[in-house]
Amino acid sequence: EDQVTQSPEALRLQEGESSSLNCSYTVSGLRGLFWYRQDPGKGPEFLFTLYSAGEEKEKERLKATLTKKESFLHITAPKPEDSATYLCAVLPGGYQKVTFGIGTKLQVIP
Amino acid sequence: DVKVTQSSRYLVKRTGEKVFLECVQDMDHENMFWYRQDPGLGLRLIYFSYDVKMKEKGDIPEGYSVSREKKERFSLILESASTNQTSMYLCASSLTVGSYGYTFGSGTRLTVV
Repeated sequence: EDQVTQSPEALRLQEGESSSLNCSYTVSGLRGLFWYRQDPGKGPEFLFTLYSAGEEKEKERLKATLTKKESFLHITAPKPEDSATYLCAVLPGGYQKVTFGIGTKLQVIP
Repeated sequence: DVKVTQSSRYLVKRTGEKVFLECVQDMDHENMFWYRQDPGLGLRLIYFSYDVKMKEKGDIPEGYSVSREKKERFSLILESASTNQTSMYLCASSLTVGSYGYTFGSGTRLTVV
């Protein structure tokens, strides 16, 4: 059974304090790993897709990396507007269904 | 930008009512999905569809049904609403499975009393 575990469940950072969120996964032949951002009361917003170990993607203060067992979302010098829940999801090989993690709730304090 | 529009942001329904949640996407996407999201449980797939008039059960289909009569519209039906179906319901669409991720709607917060 495909599994996605995100840690920590919640993270509180001071503005400018860089950190990383973790997504550990167990899947049969990874076709893609996705990161989403979700603001309170809204639907998730797509950030990145990673396809193979060693791949990296960047967007503003966010950088996503992928290994064979986990992905990291690195947040460099975060700002209060980066506060949100970040979701990780995996798509296994030979199957159509994405499995989501529960998410990491990030709070950035001014 | 692709838009996925859910017809209601908030709904309050009574136990036993038949409830319709509507979702429309405007980018000719083949694939559409219905999820519910609950604290501590994350996003759970209810039903999905890869083509018109086609549907597949997700992880938690019990108590729900779906309809896809047109490519752009995917409806979720609660046959007889119960209090344990109180949740945030999210519709999503994608061009191809696993390509560019899903585009989600803003969600419908359903309360069953």
